Amino acid sequence: GQNIDQPTEMTATEGAIVQINCTYQTSGFNGLFWYQQHAGEAPTFLSYNVLDGLEEKGRFSSFLSRSKGYSYLLLKELQMKDSASYLCAVSGGSYIPTFGRGTSLIVHP
Amino acid sequence: DTAVSQTPKYLVTQMGNDKSIKCEQNLGHDTMYWYKQDSKKFLKIMFSYNNKELIINETVPNRFSPKSPDKAHLNLHINSLELGDSAVYFCASSQKSSGKGSEAFFGQGTRLTVV
Repeated sequence: GQNIDQPTEMTATEGAIVQINCTYQTSGFNGLFWYQQHAGEAPTFLSYNVLDGLEEKGRFSSFLSRSKGYSYLLLKELQMKDSASYLCAVSGGSYIPTFGRGTSLIVHP
Repeated sequence: DTAVSQTPKYLVTQMGNDKSIKCEQNLGHDTMYWYKQDSKKFLKIMFSYNNKELIINETVPNRFSPKSPDKAHLNLHINSLELGDSAVYFCASSQKSSGKGSEAFFGQGTRLTVV
């Protein structure tokens, strides 16, 4: 089975940097995904990591450590529109991704 | 053009009814999925369908059945609806079933309310 853990809620200030952590336990590993979901909308893909290290994509970066079962999503220069739920998903031995419960990020002025 | 489209967007129905949700993708993807998102926003895989191979989440009741007439469509049929089936159902597709390119593109969701 798979177990994915991420904080329920985080708050941050506009213009700041925030790090959203995700820890996982899985039998087999075939990659970790981060998705963004605004209220009432569908999730949208942000990043994919399968090897250890940092993947940077504009203001968003994602880090993976397979040995530690750990990932984080780093959001820089926060904007109000970044207020959303951030979902960590792990693809295990079955290749079917399992989602965490999501972290609700609130960005305030 | 919408990449992954599902209909209807809202569905209100009575307990015991049978209903279907349609999903179509125009991305040429090989794999399609159905997810259920409950009131606590927990997104759970229900089915994965790739090249006529169906992978079922064992926790999904057999009242739920996916039907794929072709690679671009994966419809969801639900029999004998129960109150606990109320949720948002997302269809999604991905280019591949694993590795890079397996990120999912989601439809806008169908909010099902069973009364």
